[in-house]
Formats: sequence, structure tokens, C-alpha cells
Amino acid sequence: NAGVTQTPKFRVLKTGQSMTLLCAQDMNHEYMYWYRQDPGMGLRLIHYSVGEGTTAKGEVPDGYNVSRLKKQNFLLGLESAAPSQTSVYFCASSYSGVLFFGSGTQLSVL
Amino acid sequence: QQPVQSPQAVILREGEDAVINCSSSKALYSVHWYRQKHGEAPVFLMILLKGGEQKGHDKISASFNEKKQQSSLYLTASQLSYSGTYFCGTEGEGTGGFKTIFGAGTRLFVKA
Repeated sequence: NAGVTQTPKFRVLKTGQSMTLLCAQDMNHEYMYWYRQDPGMGLRLIHYSVGEGTTAKGEVPDGYNVSRLKKQNFLLGLESAAPSQTSVYFCASSYSGVLFFGSGTQLSVL
Repeated sequence: QQPVQSPQAVILREGEDAVINCSSSKALYSVHWYRQKHGEAPVFLMILLKGGEQKGHDKISASFNEKKQQSSLYLTASQLSYSGTYFCGTEGEGTGGFKTIFGAGTRLFVKA
């Protein structure tokens, strides 16, 4: 039972490049989330989904897009990466309000 | 709107107690507490629902005062393994109970 799996674990991008982060969960959870973590700012919610085919904006959605085509997968896309998007990204799924986090993706935008 | 945590950081000796506070400007449906060790993902500690209950987990407990929109995490007789960053997460009333917003965190260091 893998829980929540994020790929890739590390990535370096140049400004303006695009990429997609993949999150997969095998717990059959309805709710999934993308957070970013920056020093001194805690975890900030980017986007979330309350079920297959649904997405909603969180606290800091600008510059990101998401898709939830399958219940087990939640994709986070950066169309044109900026240095301000350098961060650690965590995906999570939840059940009864409890969040289960993936191991994170360290993204650097140069 | 992010909940506010205090203190930002605390250093303890093994066996000492600590309290971490979390407050919100909005009416709350629930409060969550998570701990994150360096380089790892946050791990769930406990959740407190509207109703003013207090919960415990080994020597870690928490309270939730819904009228004051505040929660406190109590760490008793701290152990080295308690070191890490503690986050409170809140869900506002009317959000459906599935949108958790986190505070900036409290860094806790326990030394021998």
C-alpha cells in the first residue's frame, strides 16, 4: 500500500518552461490537494479537488492549473515557470478530514 | 486567511513542557495539528471538531475553544523525538470540512 506518491521528487526548470507534477493515491480518497511550502510561510493551498472531474482554487492558484481526470490522480501544471514558483510542493489526499501527504517535490526555477 | 501560530520557535530541554497556540479571525469548523520533521512530509497528530473537545495522543494533547476561535497544542514531558515543525490547520465554517488552511508553523527543538 503506497499511500500518496508524487513524481518527480526533484526538478530544475528554466524560466518560461512548463512541466506537470503527478500525484497518485491508492486509498480511494475523494479529496485531493496541492500545497506549496516556502520557508516561514507554512503550507499554502494551491488547488484542490472534491472528486473526479472537479477542481477548485485555493489560496495561491495563480500560475498553476490542475486536472483530476481519474479519481486516483491529481496533476499540477506550470505553464510558464517563474523563479517565484521555486518551492517544495506537497500533494495530499484526505479522508474524514485527515490529510495524507506525499513525500514532496523540490522544484527550482532558474 | 491563514491562522496565526505562536510562538514561532521554542527550544526545550528533554522533559520540559510546551504550549503552541493557534488563532483564527474566522469562525471555525475544525482545527488540525500536524508535525513535520526536516526533509519529510507533515504527519497528522489530531483533529478537533467544533464542540470544545480536548484530545490526547500519548503525551501530546490539544484543546479547541470555538468561541475564541483558538486552539492550543500541549506537549508534556517532551522527548527528543518531538523536535520538528508543528502546523495548525483550520477549516472555516461553511467550507464543507474539506479545505484546510495552515499556519506558518512553530519550530520546536528538544535538546538532551
